Amino acid sequence: GQQLNQSPQSMFIQEGEDVSMNCTSSSIFNTWLWYKQDPGEGPVLLIALYKAGELTSNGRLTAQFGITRKDSFLNISASIPSDVGIYFCAGQLDPGNQFYFGTGTSLTVIP
Amino acid sequence: ETGVTQSPTHLIKTRGQQVTLRCSSQSGHNTVSWYQQALGQGPQFIFQYYREEENGRGNFPPRFSGLQFPNYSSELNVNALELDDSALYLCASGVLAGKETQYFGPGTRLLVL
Repeated sequence: GQQLNQSPQSMFIQEGEDVSMNCTSSSIFNTWLWYKQDPGEGPVLLIALYKAGELTSNGRLTAQFGITRKDSFLNISASIPSDVGIYFCAGQLDPGNQFYFGTGTSLTVIP
Repeated sequence: ETGVTQSPTHLIKTRGQQVTLRCSSQSGHNTVSWYQQALGQGPQFIFQYYREEENGRGNFPPRFSGLQFPNYSSELNVNALELDDSALYLCASGVLAGKETQYFGPGTRLLVL
């Protein structure tokens, strides 16, 4: 199966700071999705990306589809305590195929 | 709130038993996918159903099987449970057309003793 590597694995930041994380693969992907998961709950879709170079925002979150199509990036501006959770990327090689999930980035926001 | 529901929320079984997990998709969606998420890991794709047929399968043995019903509800069945089957089982619904996304339910936590 495909391996999606997320970095960093974990982050501890002060409230108000900006956050950057990324997801990389050795394969070219057609679609990138970003999710946030709280403990014991299902992942919540944050942003969907469908085109190389695409930059999409959702409030304080901004994600980009890498131009090589092998990576994607998620930025969170002015972090707040409710941003705490695990962020997953998910990639799809071709339409109709399965989504592969990354290893996750755990975010802790210190008030 | 995604509109995807799962039942039960928690389940305890013993090794060798069989289990059925249920999912109700979001209205208007025509695919349902099932994932297994072990503690500390990302979701792993089990299989997807589209129009009541299996439409892709991950690296899981045949004792993992599923059904999708005309009303787009779905079941995941696992036979001969093993200790390593203990995980959060997630279903996700979506639309197989154009720009695909997947919306997850809250999951079923399965513990195999």
